[in-house]
Amino acid sequence: NAGVTQTPKFQVLKTGQSMTLQCAQDMNHEYMSWYRQDPGMGLRLIHYSVGAGITDQGEVPNGYNVSRSTTEDFPLRLLSAAPSQTSVYFCASSYHRGPYEQYFGPGTRLTVT
Amino acid sequence: QKEVEQDPGPLSVPEGAIVSLNCTYSNSAFQYFMWYRQYSRKGPELLMYTYSSGNKEDGRFTAQVDKSSKYISLFIRDSQPSDSATYLCAMSAVTGNQFYFGTGTSLTVIP
Repeated sequence: NAGVTQTPKFQVLKTGQSMTLQCAQDMNHEYMSWYRQDPGMGLRLIHYSVGAGITDQGEVPNGYNVSRSTTEDFPLRLLSAAPSQTSVYFCASSYHRGPYEQYFGPGTRLTVT
Repeated sequence: QKEVEQDPGPLSVPEGAIVSLNCTYSNSAFQYFMWYRQYSRKGPELLMYTYSSGNKEDGRFTAQVDKSSKYISLFIRDSQPSDSATYLCAMSAVTGNQFYFGTGTSLTVIP
């Protein structure tokens, strides 16, 4: 198993550009989530999904969209990038129908100039 | 008030020392408690997972939950340089779909 994979590893965007961060897992996990990690703020939940076709907002959803058309994939879309979205983004998944025992991907480092 | 509070450190100990890492929380509904280890520029990796109160041991690691004090701990015995990382606590209610993370404690074990 590859586990949780994320692409790209690094990305630089200009303010106002849009992009999609990809996340995939091959463990047939129901629960998937996106977090951002900022110094002094810890990991904050952006969006999560408890199964294909079901998504919901987390703590900091503004400026981000998600969809879950398959069990394996959970892309995160930045609609109009802002410097405040400069962060490290982690995707995670769990075989529970909840966030327990989540396994994290390697992260995407995003810089918005 | 944050849901979860964790001292960011940094914490520096000599090799072989016993390390104690702690988190406090405010939500009495939290029942699931987890510890993650995160090496520099890597994703967090699951270390320990406990439900409700009590202790759980896995090798050199012991997780403790004291729900009456809303306090959880991770003990590392015989600490090794390879334990140098940031340790994150996380917790959730039984019916919750969200996990709340502490900000992490940076640990360095000096050979």
